Amino acid sequence: AQKITQTQPGMFVQEKEAVTLDCTYDTSDQSYGLFWYKQPSSGEMIFLIYQGSYDEQNATEGRYSLNFQKARKSANLVISASQLGDSAMYFCAMREGYGNNDMRFGAGTRLTVKP
Amino acid sequence: EAQVTQNPRYLITVTGKKLTVTCSQNMNHEYMSWYRQDPGLGLRQIYYSMNVEVTDKGDVPEGYKVSRKEKRNFPLILESPSPNQTSLYFCASSFYQGLVNTGELFFGEGSRLTVL
Repeated sequence: AQKITQTQPGMFVQEKEAVTLDCTYDTSDQSYGLFWYKQPSSGEMIFLIYQGSYDEQNATEGRYSLNFQKARKSANLVISASQLGDSAMYFCAMREGYGNNDMRFGAGTRLTVKP
Repeated sequence: EAQVTQNPRYLITVTGKKLTVTCSQNMNHEYMSWYRQDPGLGLRQIYYSMNVEVTDKGDVPEGYKVSRKEKRNFPLILESPSPNQTSLYFCASSFYQGLVNTGELFFGEGSRLTVL
């Protein structure tokens, strides 16, 4: 079974608008971590944001926030005030268990920001 | 500068010709891992290493070997490459996940391999 599901292969957003990229996960562990990475066309993987399973507040990093709904097992990425430079592939990932570094990735969502 | 360095960045080779993709990190990370990225499949883990001389299979280990003789280096070896190993490969490293560390992975720039 898929551990991480990203149901949106592609998304479009108008510049300066907000966009939500969906991510659902599957785990029976109580301790886990959720990550979002950005991959621009140049190919490198850029870490954006992290949410721990015990964190009570939603994580925020600048224009990025993570809408963490534990009961629904969802960890959606919200990008506010989209910029042209936000056009990229976005991957949701999960690390399960305490002391485990192994990370599983979703299939990714390609975001295109339109001027 | 803290980084993960992979070489080569681009390689075209032929079926059966052994090749090695090197990976080196300068952050003193215990954990290192190899992933392959294919369209529609995201990143899939090939092998990982928790420390020197400790390696284990990921989700797609067939056709690959690794070694971890030094903490900083984690080469990926394709003994007899086949066309289905054409992919974008990433090496990544991190500190052990714990109370302080999230286990965030630091990635190399990727190695695009084509097997003809």
